[in-house]
Amino acid sequence: EVQLVQSGAEVKKPGESLKISCQGSGDSFTTYWIAWVRQMPGKGLEWMGSIYPGDSDTRYSPSFQGQVTFSTDKSISIAYLQWSSLKASDSAMYYCARHDGYDSFDYWGQGTLVTVSS
Amino acid sequence: QSALTQPPSASGSPGQSVTISCTGTSSDVGGYNYVSWYQQHPGKAPKLMIYEVSKRPSGVPDRFSGSKSGNTASLTVSGLQAEDEADYYCTSCAGINPLFGTGTKVTVL
Repeated sequence: EVQLVQSGAEVKKPGESLKISCQGSGDSFTTYWIAWVRQMPGKGLEWMGSIYPGDSDTRYSPSFQGQVTFSTDKSISIAYLQWSSLKASDSAMYYCARHDGYDSFDYWGQGTLVTVSS
Repeated sequence: QSALTQPPSASGSPGQSVTISCTGTSSDVGGYNYVSWYQQHPGKAPKLMIYEVSKRPSGVPDRFSGSKSGNTASLTVSGLQAEDEADYYCTSCAGINPLFGTGTKVTVL
């Protein structure tokens, strides 16, 4: 069975960098996209973008292009989401999800809560 | 790209049916047979309930059904149960990029 396990909650200060992870299990890690989805407190879901671990092809939502970076290490089935300089407005829950490349996200991680506060 | 439009709330009594709409444009909902629906309980990750407009993943009760007409997709929950109370989100494709709906809170009265 496919499982996505995300790294734990983070508390950071504005301007700091951060890299969170999404560990996949099962044999499909390199044949599906991994998406990152943001959910700000009390708000809806936003697709940030997706990465294809097989060849590291990446698609960013225009809203997040240049704000975050996706990467993977397919040898250990991990996808990463990173920020070089956090802002308070980056405080949110971040989910990774297996993405079919179209509209469907069929397996989800448990979420990583990021809090950015001075 | 703007989010797909959903009603903020919907409700029904146990055993009744509730239908949630998801309105987009001919560039997303109306242009592709790629509409999916997600259920999210408070503090939990979303769960895929419907994909490709009307297909149910294994394990999803057949009380959940999806359809589409023009630029509007719909999710119907029949025979409402207490555990169906949750937020529901639709997605579709805008070109190659997925677009989420604004979300609908379903309350079981």
